Amino acid sequence: GENVEQHPSTLSVQEGDSAVIKCTYSDSASNYFPWYKQELGKGPQLIIDIRSNVGEKKDQRIAVTLNKTAKHFSLHITETQPEDSAVYFCAASTGNQFYFGTGTSLTVIP
Amino acid sequence: NAGVTQTPKFQVLKTGQSMTLQCAQDMNHEYMSWYRQDPGMGLRLIHYSVGAGITDQGEVPNGYNVSRSTTEDFPLRLLSAAPSQTSVYFCASSPHSSGNTIYFGEGSWLTVV
Repeated sequence: GENVEQHPSTLSVQEGDSAVIKCTYSDSASNYFPWYKQELGKGPQLIIDIRSNVGEKKDQRIAVTLNKTAKHFSLHITETQPEDSAVYFCAASTGNQFYFGTGTSLTVIP
Repeated sequence: NAGVTQTPKFQVLKTGQSMTLQCAQDMNHEYMSWYRQDPGMGLRLIHYSVGAGITDQGEVPNGYNVSRSTTEDFPLRLLSAAPSQTSVYFCASSPHSSGNTIYFGEGSWLTVV
């Protein structure tokens, strides 16, 4: 089955700096790559996603890039704010099965 | 706009007890699933369903049963609870087509003592 690895497991940045989280996947059939943000005591919420026919997607301060050849995709958050502090999960999907990374705990220091 | 609703939010069980985690969605999604979340292990799929009357096993199905009698409901049953089942459980749903994102409930915190 699919194997998704996510790095780093923890990340601290100063407010206003950028944060980058990276994921790799193993199954070349994976074609959908969402990113989720999970706040303490809550369920994961979708923040951005990308499909295999697209190399980059941006939504305000958040962007995702996908390199299908290398089988990796990354989340970029610019101008970080304290409310960006949360756990972020990447995922890869070949259809109705989703495989998640182990999460990155992001702390934005004011 | 309820989305995915899970009950109970918190539960403490004794080893060997059984219980059912309830999940309901009001978005007419055909696909529903259950995940467990453990520290350092991300989200792991327990069981999923692609429509009423159809269920299948995920990555970690042992010790859990599911059924899907309606589109809206997808309960998760623990037959004989074990301490290893102490976890946070998330129900999720999605429209039934490839490449659609899944929407999570708020989670159920289960402790087995």
